This record gives sequence, structure tokens and C-alpha cells, in this order.
Amino acid sequence: DVQLLESGGGLVQPGGSLRLSCAASGFSFSNYAMGWVRQAPGKGLEWVSAISGSGGSTYYADSVKGRFIISRDTSKNTLYLQMNSLRAEDTAVYYCARSTTMVLYYFDYWGQGTLVTVSS
Amino acid sequence: DIQMTQSPSSLSASVGDRVTITCQASQDITNFLNWYQQKPGRAPKLLIYDASNLETGVPSRFSGSGSGTDFTFTISSLQPEDIATYYCQQYDDLVTFGPGTKVDIK
Repeated sequence: DVQLLESGGGLVQPGGSLRLSCAASGFSFSNYAMGWVRQAPGKGLEWVSAISGSGGSTYYADSVKGRFIISRDTSKNTLYLQMNSLRAEDTAVYYCARSTTMVLYYFDYWGQGTLVTVSS
Repeated sequence: DIQMTQSPSSLSASVGDRVTITCQASQDITNFLNWYQQKPGRAPKLLIYDASNLETGVPSRFSGSGSGTDFTFTISSLQPEDIATYYCQQYDDLVTFGPGTKVDIK
């Protein structure tokens, strides 16, 4: 079975950094693009970032471009999101999700999410 | 940037009712449109991809249609387990989700 398990969330001060991880299992990790989608408390879904299966192509929402970095380690079957210069508006549950061989398409499997709270 | 709108923002219907949600894109996205269901406290679930293709294992009471800028999502006979928020998502230019439609039982 496909499983995605996020970790790394927590409380961080404005301007701080945090790295999220997503451990993948049950599928050939390098064959699939992956992405991050977030959801602020009581709000809708917001796409954050995506990365190709090889890691050679990355995409970001304007709201996080220049502050967040998506990456993947195929040897560890793990997706990462390095979040820098965090702001209060980055507070959300962050989901990792599997896409297809196409980087920007649909997300067919999702993790359970990890909560990031940016507050002093 | 492509903006997505959904209507209504919420609705209440009776079990067995036909429910329709519309999604509109700010520009032509051909059929690059997906639909998700999210139940409270849960991760989203893919229901429809490419505007009208039913994801494997999804009940046939769910369907989608449309192309260009206007899309429709339909539940042919609402069931109690369908209580959720439904989101459309475009992938013609990066990725954008619609604001969601919350569906309740009347």
C-alpha cells in the first residue's frame, strides 16, 4: 500500500526555519513527481510546491517562492520542504502528496499532514 | 495566474438528492481540472481527474463534466458519507485549488 508520512512540523518564531520530511513507501518513489499542499486553520487548500521524479524540475507558488525549497532523496524515499523566513501566514497543516510522472497534474495519495505554527 | 471560483460555497441537501457544484476558471484550461473530497480532519481524496474521469474505486454517483472555463461536479444521489468539502483544482498553469464547497445533509 502507498503510504506517505510527514514529520517535522511544530512551533517556530516568525523569521525562523523548519524542514518538513515526508517518508514514502509502497511505490517506486523515483518514478513519481511529488508535491506539498497546505491548509491554514479553517481555510481551503493551497498548493505550495512540486518536484519531478528525478528532482531536476521544481515549481513553487508565488507565496513561498524564494523562501521555501523542495527536494527529494531517492535513496531514502523521502521528500523534503525547507521553509525559511517563516511568516504567521505560513501557519497551516502541510500535506505531502504523490502526483504522477507529470509534475503538475493530480495528487492521488496524500499523507496525514503535519502542523506548522508560526508565532512568537 | 489562474483563479478558480466555486459555487455555491455551501449547500444543504437531503439524502438521495442530486447535488451540483460548479467551478469556473479565470481563463481557458481545456480539461486540466480535478476534483477532491475532504472530510473533516482528513486529507483530501482524489475523485475526478481530467474533468470527467472517475478515479479508481470512487463510487459512480460522482461525476464531472465541462471544458474551457466552466466545469460541473455532480453527486447523483447524495449519501450521508458524502458530507465533506469539495475542491476543484486546475493544473494548466502551475496548480490552483478552488475555495471549496461544503456539503451538508438537510
